[in-house]
Amino acid sequence: GQQLNQSPQSMFIQEGEDVSMNCTSSSIFNTWLWYKQDPGEGPVLLIALYKAGELTSNGRLTAQFGITRKDSFLNISASIPSDVGIYFCAGLWGGNTPLVFGKGTRLSVIA
Amino acid sequence: DSGVTQTPKHLITATGQRVTLRCSPRSGDLSVYWYQQSLDQGLQFLIQYYNGEERAKGNILERFSAQQFPDLHSELNLSSLELGDSALYFCATGPANTEAFFGQGTRLTVV
Repeated sequence: GQQLNQSPQSMFIQEGEDVSMNCTSSSIFNTWLWYKQDPGEGPVLLIALYKAGELTSNGRLTAQFGITRKDSFLNISASIPSDVGIYFCAGLWGGNTPLVFGKGTRLSVIA
Repeated sequence: DSGVTQTPKHLITATGQRVTLRCSPRSGDLSVYWYQQSLDQGLQFLIQYYNGEERAKGNILERFSAQQFPDLHSELNLSSLELGDSALYFCATGPANTEAFFGQGTRLTVV
């Protein structure tokens, strides 16, 4: 089946630093989604991307849908302690195919 | 609050038992996905329904089954429970094969 490679697996950063994480796939997708999950909670949708090349922002978060449709990245600027959590990318082809998730990037912010 | 409601929030049951997890979608959402998340693991896709019909199946065990009812709520049935079935179970719903919004999850503990 389709697989998403998400990197890095984990990151430790200082408060105020910028963060970048990405997802790559061997297959193309028509939709890329980025989620954040806090411990014991459900993932929360941060950004949805629908077109190749699309660049979308949500506050300090910016995500891009790669031109090849096989990758996406998420940037967080000026990180703060509440950015701590696990960030998941997800890709969707459409039709009868499921939403496919990466294994997540665990972000720790050191104050 | 995503608008997706999962009940119960917590469930403790013995091995060999059967449980039913319930998911109420956001108003108008036709698509529902079920995921399993074990401790510190990613989201494992179980099954997807769209407007009452099964659309896609992941690595769902034969002991597990699901259905989506005419009012679009969904239930995940887990039977002959084993210790290894202890996990967080999430449903996510969406309008079609686009973005998906997660519920808060049901934490299942099998003892």
